[in-house]
Amino acid sequence: KAGVTQTPRYLIKTRGQQVTLSCSPISGHRSVSWYQQTPGQGLQFLFEYFSETQRNKGNFPGRFSGRQFSNSRSEMNVSTLELGDSALYLCASRYTLKSPLHFGNGTRLTVT
Amino acid sequence: KQEVTQIPAALSVPEGENLVLNCSFTDSAIYNLQWFRQDPGKGLTSLLLIQSSQREQTSGRLNASLDKSSGRSTLYIAASQPGDSATYLCAVKSRGSTLGRLYFGRGTQLTVWP
Repeated sequence: KAGVTQTPRYLIKTRGQQVTLSCSPISGHRSVSWYQQTPGQGLQFLFEYFSETQRNKGNFPGRFSGRQFSNSRSEMNVSTLELGDSALYLCASRYTLKSPLHFGNGTRLTVT
Repeated sequence: KQEVTQIPAALSVPEGENLVLNCSFTDSAIYNLQWFRQDPGKGLTSLLLIQSSQREQTSGRLNASLDKSSGRSTLYIAASQPGDSATYLCAVKSRGSTLGRLYFGRGTQLTVWP
């Protein structure tokens, strides 16, 4: 069974631009979560989607948004990029609430 | 707000040693606790998941225990190997309105040398 797939693996953007990251969950998983990982803050929760609905949202500004499609694939968008948005963005999926969370290898975003 | 702490932050040991990594959390109203491993530049690999009603879980040389009342979990690694070198992260899923969200510790960076 294929794992969680994130594309692209690396991105370099300039301040003020916007970016879209993509995540394909494990087949059969309907829940997708997004996390940001930085050396300073560690892993922080961005949001979670289940059946195309946002179920939870972390403490991030409105520049961070996401969506989930009917096939459970998810995208995350960051608008008006800032230097501090440079991070590893991780997507995770799970089958049920009791199931373990499975992570992808992440997208490394660098903002210059 | 749930806070998760991991001790020690870093650990360097010779091959063959048995290790204990510690994780503590402030709110005992948890749904489950999950241990992950992260290799440099990579995503997280799930190691063990303990539901709130369980006391421990085992997988190969790994054993994780959970004491919900005291807000602690330990990850025991038997007969460590150089391939175990990685950062180990503990994450808690709390009950309540943030049900789907995981709260992560900062991790323990483990180095096992031959």
